[in-house]
Amino acid sequence: QKEVEQDPGPLSVPEGAIVSLNCTYSNSAFQYFMWYRQYSRKGPELLMYTYSSGNKEDGRFTAQVDKSSKYISLFIRDSQPSDSATYLCAMKRGATSGSRLTFGEGTQLTVNP
Amino acid sequence: GAVVSQHPSRVICKSGTSVKIECRSLDFQATTMFWYRQFPKKSLMLMATSNEGSKATYEQGVEKDKFLINHASLTLSTLTVTSAHPEDSSFYICSANGPLNEKLFFGSGTQLSVL
Repeated sequence: QKEVEQDPGPLSVPEGAIVSLNCTYSNSAFQYFMWYRQYSRKGPELLMYTYSSGNKEDGRFTAQVDKSSKYISLFIRDSQPSDSATYLCAMKRGATSGSRLTFGEGTQLTVNP
Repeated sequence: GAVVSQHPSRVICKSGTSVKIECRSLDFQATTMFWYRQFPKKSLMLMATSNEGSKATYEQGVEKDKFLINHASLTLSTLTVTSAHPEDSSFYICSANGPLNEKLFFGSGTQLSVL
């Protein structure tokens, strides 16, 4: 069983839709949770960052972490064609210079105009 | 956020040649950098952890003689693919933890094509 499970999609939605992306994990030691957006042939771009449980909102994006359920979500409101990309969830245990991320497989999202 | 710069963005080389990829932290110091490899439509695969002033730590199955990593300063790590072969063709990405070590920032990636 993988440490982090993420539905690879692909997910296709019409412009303006609300998108929900999710990941589950098995290791309760994870404390730092991130969502990255990756366009084709580009490096991942940090979209949202959350420490421990809770919600964080940034513009059209909302990240939720439920540590009791080992479940994290990313919501995209009023989705735009420019949101079409692969979204990767990632998490790690500690905040040291050598702390590494564990990634989900990534969900490929297409927003159709 | 912190900026990680990676060059070149794309390189095409002949089989048997060596290719060097640079990764720089522009506005912060990074004692540790990470090198990933990514295949099409796949997630990132950690290759090695680069430590400033010491030897890199390679993941199981990654050939250290094939993928030479040097981290000579707090802002620069390099990955050299030695005697490249077509099977080394891939997308290589570097990253570093930001100043507070909470968030990981990525370079823009290097697409290597070996003919």
